[in-house]
Amino acid sequence: DGGITQSPKYLFRKEGQNVTLSCEQNLNHDAMYWYRQDPGQGLRLIYYSQIVNDFQKGDIAEGYSVSREKKESFPLTVTSAQKNPTAFYLCASSIAGLALYEQYFGPGTRLTVT
Amino acid sequence: GNSVTQMEGPVTLSEEAFLTINCTYTATGYPSLFWYVQYPGEGLQLLLKATKADDKGSNKGFEATYRKETTSFHLEKGSVQVSDSAVYFCALSNSGGGADGLTFGKGTHLIIQP
Repeated sequence: DGGITQSPKYLFRKEGQNVTLSCEQNLNHDAMYWYRQDPGQGLRLIYYSQIVNDFQKGDIAEGYSVSREKKESFPLTVTSAQKNPTAFYLCASSIAGLALYEQYFGPGTRLTVT
Repeated sequence: GNSVTQMEGPVTLSEEAFLTINCTYTATGYPSLFWYVQYPGEGLQLLLKATKADDKGSNKGFEATYRKETTSFHLEKGSVQVSDSAVYFCALSNSGGGADGLTFGKGTHLIIQP
């Protein structure tokens, strides 16, 4: 079955540590995205990538970093510079970075930093 | 910039009631519009979409019509079921090439009571 996988589902880290969230897709999609979801808020875009080896900052990129070395993979690193890292993180992909194509979402990773 | 406003929740209805969740947007150009649904602890699933004015998206008994004159995309269902309980997000994507992700509303939590 084609889809997007995110691992792990739950992640716990101590403050001051960097942590990397995995996102893999086998849909052969060119574009991939990372969103953050906080209680009572919509999703906010962190980073997006429309092609391998290229990515762009979204609305809330500070304290995060990404890489896109392979079409299938778009890992997100939450660095110690991110002031409020505890959140639900969602990865998505679409056929191409065009407005009419819907995005497909993974199941999410809930990160808790204490 | 782009923005999406949807009615605050939670919205509580009895089974078989008529549902309307309001969504209005602000955007430049001609965005595509989407409704996504999120069940507890999961990622988002596309419910329906419309890519141009007067288009009607429909799926699983839900409908929404792209109204450019009122910049709205209200979600409706004639008879809700307990299984429709979830959080519903209205979203838009920018027109043209190089879409930079979706802009989401804050979500509406729908609770259907038997």
